[in-house]
Amino acid sequence: DAGITQSPRYKITETGRQVTLMCHQTWSHSYMFWYRQDLGHGLRLIYYSAAADITDKGEVPDGYVVSRSKTENFPLTLESATRSQTSVYFCASSRKGPGSREQYFGPGTRLTVT
Amino acid sequence: DQQVKQNSPSLSVQEGRISILNCDYTNSMFDYFLWYKKYPAEGPTFLISISSIKDKNEDGRFTVFLNKSAKHLSLHIVPSQPGDSAVYFCAASATNDMRFGAGTRLTVKP
Repeated sequence: DAGITQSPRYKITETGRQVTLMCHQTWSHSYMFWYRQDLGHGLRLIYYSAAADITDKGEVPDGYVVSRSKTENFPLTLESATRSQTSVYFCASSRKGPGSREQYFGPGTRLTVT
Repeated sequence: DQQVKQNSPSLSVQEGRISILNCDYTNSMFDYFLWYKKYPAEGPTFLISISSIKDKNEDGRFTVFLNKSAKHLSLHIVPSQPGDSAVYFCAASATNDMRFGAGTRLTVKP
């Protein structure tokens, strides 16, 4: 079925570990985004990508690494997880950039760092 | 600093009545505003939007009002239905930037 998927849906990891969250979209949208959702903050943009091999920082990029070797995939890596990175992570895609009229969100990954 | 604020974390309304969700922003560069709706364990989905050149946009039971001078927008749902119970996020966008509010949890009681 078409759409945007994220894996895993739930992840528990320890402080200092590397963890990668996966995002896959089937719409061939140029832009993909990673957000984190925290109580009291809403959704905050971590990184976005305009196309394969083109990425840019968002509002809260520190501690995260992204890559985009294929248009349909946009993995997010926490190289050394910290407790402050406990959050719900949403991937999104759109035809246009961060100011896009509409973005289409995946179901989210709930990450807990112990 | 939060450029988009939703000051009411929650709102409870009786079925059939009007729900009014509010949102304030600080950056005058924002020129497009959106509302997203989010159910538990799902991602946000787009609901309705408005350009800064308009002051009202209507789509069925949903109407968004924009007051540029006050930097304020609101979402009206009439009549409210139990299926509208969700978290609503306000978002404001400018070129290469989109900011979200913290969300308002709406509960519509039967």
